[in-house]
Formats: sequence, C-alpha cells, structure tokens
Amino acid sequence: GIQVEQSPPDLILQEGANSTLRCNFSDSVNNLQWFHQNPWGQLINLFYIPSGTKQNGRLSATTVATERYSLLYISSSQTTDSGVYFCAVSRDNYGQNFVFGPGTRLSVLP
Amino acid sequence: DSGVTQTPKHLITATGQRVTLRCSPRSGDLSVYWYQQSLDQGLQFLIQYYNGEERAKGNILERFSAQQFPDLHSELNLSSLELGDSALYFCASSVGSEQFFGPGTRLTVL
Repeated sequence: GIQVEQSPPDLILQEGANSTLRCNFSDSVNNLQWFHQNPWGQLINLFYIPSGTKQNGRLSATTVATERYSLLYISSSQTTDSGVYFCAVSRDNYGQNFVFGPGTRLSVLP
Repeated sequence: DSGVTQTPKHLITATGQRVTLRCSPRSGDLSVYWYQQSLDQGLQFLIQYYNGEERAKGNILERFSAQQFPDLHSELNLSSLELGDSALYFCASSVGSEQFFGPGTRLTVL
C-alpha cells in the first residue's frame, strides 16, 4: 500500500514565525487532504488538494502530484495553530482507504 | 463544526464487553467512513459504507462490525473488547472525494 511520510515530526515555533510542513507519498494519488488535530482531539479540514496550490488566510498548501509531495505553509503562526497536522492520501477517486501520515506536532509559544 | 455528529463523546467499559458507536453524516452525504486513532497505530481506516452498502474495508478486526441504515446514519459495533481497543474512533462523511470528520468517540477499556 501507499506509504506516507511527514516531516518534521515535531516543530516548536515562537508566535509570529512561519513554517513549512512536508508530506511525501510513495505512489500516485487521486486525493490528498491536510488536517489539523487540535489539543481537544478534533480533526479539522484544512485543504482538499490533490494537485495545485490553495490559500486560506494564513495557511496555504501546494501539492506536486508528479513528484509525490505536498507542502503546508503556516505564516504568522498563532498559539491556536498548535496541535498535530496530518496529511492523508488515497488512490481511489472517491477518497476510500485514506492513508494518514504520522503527523507533525506543532507547538507555538507565546 | 463539520456537520458530522458522533455519540457518545466518551465511553468507559470493561474488557469483554460490547459497545455501539453512532454517527450521523452531513446532510446529503451518502458515504460514511470509520477510523481508529490509537497511540501505537496512528490513524487507521476501518470501513466505508456508501448508501447502505459496504464499499471498502481496511484494518477492521473481526470483532468489529458496522452498518449504515436507510436514514444514512451508521453504527460501529465493537465486541469482546480488549485493552488495546482503547482509542479515539472517528466517523467521516463525504459526497465526493473530500472527507469531513466528526468530533470522535473516545473509548476507554478497563
């Protein structure tokens, strides 16, 4: 099956700093999503981005499907950005069998 | 709020017991997915239903079963519970490829 790697595993930032999180996957995919799991355990959709670039406020994401990676950019980080960021991929056109990466744990310090 | 609801939020039970987790998808979503998040295994896909029919199976144990009812809500049944079944169980729904996750049910097996 597809293998998903995320880097870095842990990241500590000062409030206001920028960061880039990376997701590498071992095979071609039709679906890719980025999630933020907050300290209360909720999984929040950030981006549905099987290819291309999207932006939503301070967050943006880019997926280069041909090179099998995706990047999540967080600018001007805030303490509320803390949590774990997951990348999930699927080869199926209907998002079945999502394979999640191990996550990047982000801590933003005031 | 993703629009996906799960009950109960927390469940504490003993080994050997059986529990039922319930999920209501977003209005209009025909697909329901179940995932397990444990400390040692990460987030894993268990099973998917589409409009009442099982569509895909992941790493779901034989002690676990699920179904989707005509009103599209879904239930995940876990039986002969073991300590290792303690985890956060998520339900997600989709109408196309993008999945939206519920708040999860935290199961503790004592």
